[in-house]
Amino acid sequence: AQSVTQLGSHVSVSEGALVLLRCNYSSSVPPYLFWYVQYPNQGLQLLLKYTSAATLVKGINGFEAEFKKSETSFHLTKPSAHMSDAAEYFCAVSDSNDYKLSFGAGTTVTVRA
Amino acid sequence: DTGVSQNPRHKITKRGQNVTFRCDPISEHNRLYWYRQTLGQGPEFLTYFQNEAQLEKSRLLSDRFSAERPKGSFSTLEIQRTEQGDSAMYLCASSLGQGRTDTQYFGPGTRLTVL
Repeated sequence: AQSVTQLGSHVSVSEGALVLLRCNYSSSVPPYLFWYVQYPNQGLQLLLKYTSAATLVKGINGFEAEFKKSETSFHLTKPSAHMSDAAEYFCAVSDSNDYKLSFGAGTTVTVRA
Repeated sequence: DTGVSQNPRHKITKRGQNVTFRCDPISEHNRLYWYRQTLGQGPEFLTYFQNEAQLEKSRLLSDRFSAERPKGSFSTLEIQRTEQGDSAMYLCASSLGQGRTDTQYFGPGTRLTVL
């Protein structure tokens, strides 16, 4: 079975500072990994996904994530936080058989002016 | 924009009542998923359809829950004899169904409150 663990339920950063959100996965098969963002009262929106083509994945809104097999990690980063990045972020892994997603518990990001 | 839509957006009901939610996926998507999200948690898989066929149901989906996708288009999720523990956000997602790297597109969700 596949699963992900997000370290840190809340992250607070200053505007312009680095955003780092941690995700570790457990998978018995080569994992396919996703990061989604959820703004208040909205559905989940895909930020980026890892499909084994490249270990460094660039996504929307300046986010990127690096797949590290040796560390079983897929951490999400953004060099410079913007006020509009305040949201909840979810890491997810795709099941090997039926493609359903298993999500982490989420990390809420607040951005200080 | 022809994204995933869900209705209603909010539903308040009394314990013991039945409720039904609707999801309209992106038109060319074969796969449709239902997830449930409780406060402070990530979405949890409930069930999914490949066209009109329901292929898997989570053990979270008790016999009070039923889902349909007639003709492989929109889907409905019904909860009978609601309980306070059913209070959650119910999310629908759709995808092309081409493989594990599919992007699932999510609707805005239906927030259920059971009093």
